[in-house]
Amino acid sequence: AQSVTQLGSHVSVSEGALVLLRCNYSSSVPPYLFWYVQYPNQGLQLLLKYTSAATLVKGINGFEAEFKKSETSFHLTKPSAHMSDAAEYFCAVVGNQFYFGTGTSLTVIP
Amino acid sequence: DAGVTQSPTHLIKTRGQHVTLRCSPISGHKSVSWYQQVLGQGPQFIFQYYEKEERGRGNFPDRFSARQFPNYSSELNVNALLLGDSALYLCASSQGLAGGYYEQYFGPGTRLTVT
Repeated sequence: AQSVTQLGSHVSVSEGALVLLRCNYSSSVPPYLFWYVQYPNQGLQLLLKYTSAATLVKGINGFEAEFKKSETSFHLTKPSAHMSDAAEYFCAVVGNQFYFGTGTSLTVIP
Repeated sequence: DAGVTQSPTHLIKTRGQHVTLRCSPISGHKSVSWYQQVLGQGPQFIFQYYEKEERGRGNFPDRFSARQFPNYSSELNVNALLLGDSALYLCASSQGLAGGYYEQYFGPGTRLTVT
């Protein structure tokens, strides 16, 4: 069975600081992994996805994630936070369906 | 091109009532998936339809049903509403079966409140 765990339901960073959002996965097969962002009162937008082509995946808005099989992790990072990054972030893994994590709310402090 | 559209945007229903939510996929997309997102939680998979056939079902009671029409639009029906059905219902479309190859594109959702 597949699942993802997001560590930290709330993360606060200062504008310009590094963003690190954590995601660990559980999968019995090589996983497909995703990061989505959700702004208030909106649907989910795909940030990036891992499909085994490369372990470092670059996404939109300056985000990237690194797949680490030994750590079963797929953490999301951005070198410099911007005010517009404040949103809810979801990690997901695909098995016979999409399994989403519980989300991490990112606050950016000016 | 228009994205995934959902209607209505908001809905208030009473316990025991029935509700129908609608979704129009992106033009050319043949698959529609439905998700329930309770406040403070991640989306939970309800159904996936592809070419008008159910291709996946999550762990939801039989009160939840869906269908996909020849134009690939979809309806989600919920009978005998419970307070716990209050949530944001998200629709997502993809060109093929959603997974590693085909990306999902989400609509803005329908906010259902059951009183």
